[in-house]
Amino acid sequence: DQQVKQNSPSLSVQEGRISILNCDYTNSMFDYFLWYKKYPAEGPTFLISISSIKDKNEDGRFTVFLNKSAKHLSLHIVPSQPGDSAVYFCAASIQGAQKLVFGQGTRLTINP
Amino acid sequence: NAGVTQNPKFQVLKTGQSMTLQCAQDMNHNSMYWYRQDPGMGLRLIYYSASEGTTDKGEVPNGYNVSRLNKREFSLRLESAAPSQTSVYFCASSVGAGGPFEQYFGPGTRLTVT
Repeated sequence: DQQVKQNSPSLSVQEGRISILNCDYTNSMFDYFLWYKKYPAEGPTFLISISSIKDKNEDGRFTVFLNKSAKHLSLHIVPSQPGDSAVYFCAASIQGAQKLVFGQGTRLTINP
Repeated sequence: NAGVTQNPKFQVLKTGQSMTLQCAQDMNHNSMYWYRQDPGMGLRLIYYSASEGTTDKGEVPNGYNVSRLNKREFSLRLESAAPSQTSVYFCASSVGAGGPFEQYFGPGTRLTVT
């Protein structure tokens, strides 16, 4: 039972345009969401997070949007740069559970 | 400040052999985790330790054991390796109860079981 789903295995975007990565979840108890970025042969690195009391969080070129009624979150990268080419994982947690549940990942490729 | 370190980086085992994957963190974090990453499956939690002295099963614990040696170190043991355990293994740590949820990951161990 996949509680966190990233339905797009891959995404290709032109440099300078907006990249939008999507994530859906099924467990309504999730109340904290994170995005991680992973380069080949490295561990995932934390990118940005959002609490369920917010519907948007912004950090530089990265913005995460949360739609609780649809159980959907998205990561927007504007403008996209070649260094953004990586695998992106969304993750969800329940307060106090000390565990994260990850999606399958989306491979983002930024084309020059 | 090295963050989370893992040893070894690569390992090849024969079916039935045993090995221990080592993980250490220098961030004074209370919680530590072991994940495996397989193509199309994302990161799946094997075991975690919410605090020193405690360990709990995650989503895919079968075939593995863990030891929280002290606050810094959390090892993962494969007693009798199987080809299905071929994977990339990541260790992670976080502040723990009451703290930020963000987990910090090591560089990974790529394990092949033949």
